[in-house]
Amino acid sequence: EAGVTQSPTHLIKTRGQQATLRCSPISGHTSVYWYQQALGLGLQFLLWYDEGEERNRGNFPPRFSGRQFPNYSSELNVNALELEDSALYLCASSLGQGAFSYEQYFGPGTRLTVT
Amino acid sequence: AQKVTQAQTEISVVEKEDVTLDCVYETRDTTYYLFWYKQPPSGELVFLIRRNSFDEQNEISGRYSWNFQKSTSSFNFTITASQVVDSAVYFCALSEVTGNQFYFGTGTSLTVIP
Repeated sequence: EAGVTQSPTHLIKTRGQQATLRCSPISGHTSVYWYQQALGLGLQFLLWYDEGEERNRGNFPPRFSGRQFPNYSSELNVNALELEDSALYLCASSLGQGAFSYEQYFGPGTRLTVT
Repeated sequence: AQKVTQAQTEISVVEKEDVTLDCVYETRDTTYYLFWYKQPPSGELVFLIRRNSFDEQNEISGRYSWNFQKSTSSFNFTITASQVVDSAVYFCALSEVTGNQFYFGTGTSLTVIP
């Protein structure tokens, strides 16, 4: 069974540009989560999508946004990039119903570098 | 305040030693879930265990064991007879029924020296 996939692996952008990151969940999983892993800060919860709806978001500015498509894949958009947005962005998926109770399965991440 | 605290930033042990990774959490929910994940040098987080707030039974899986104590809001992870392959960053996480939030600790980097 295929795991969570993310693309691209690496992304280099300049300050002020927009970045788009993509994630495909494990088959059968309807919940998709996005996390930012910056050096020394652990994983910071960004967004949670389930059944095409945004269920919750972490403490991040509105320029971090995303969506979930009918096939449950997801896209994270970061507008007006700032240097401190440089981080590893991890996507995870889980079963949807009662998602808070399920373990999450993580993808390999997208390394975003903002110069 | 941190919802999940992993006070040990880095730990080094010699192979075959036992090591305990600490996790302290904070929540007002009566129903919540605790998790441990492993992030090896390759980078991909791997799920290790899930525990709900109503099940305080300790669990053992091979060389791994977990000690959940609600009285001290702790969910500690012990590796017995550590091996070099155990070298990784270990994350403790909390999910709450209310608020639909997920919280990860800052991780403990474990190095097992051969």
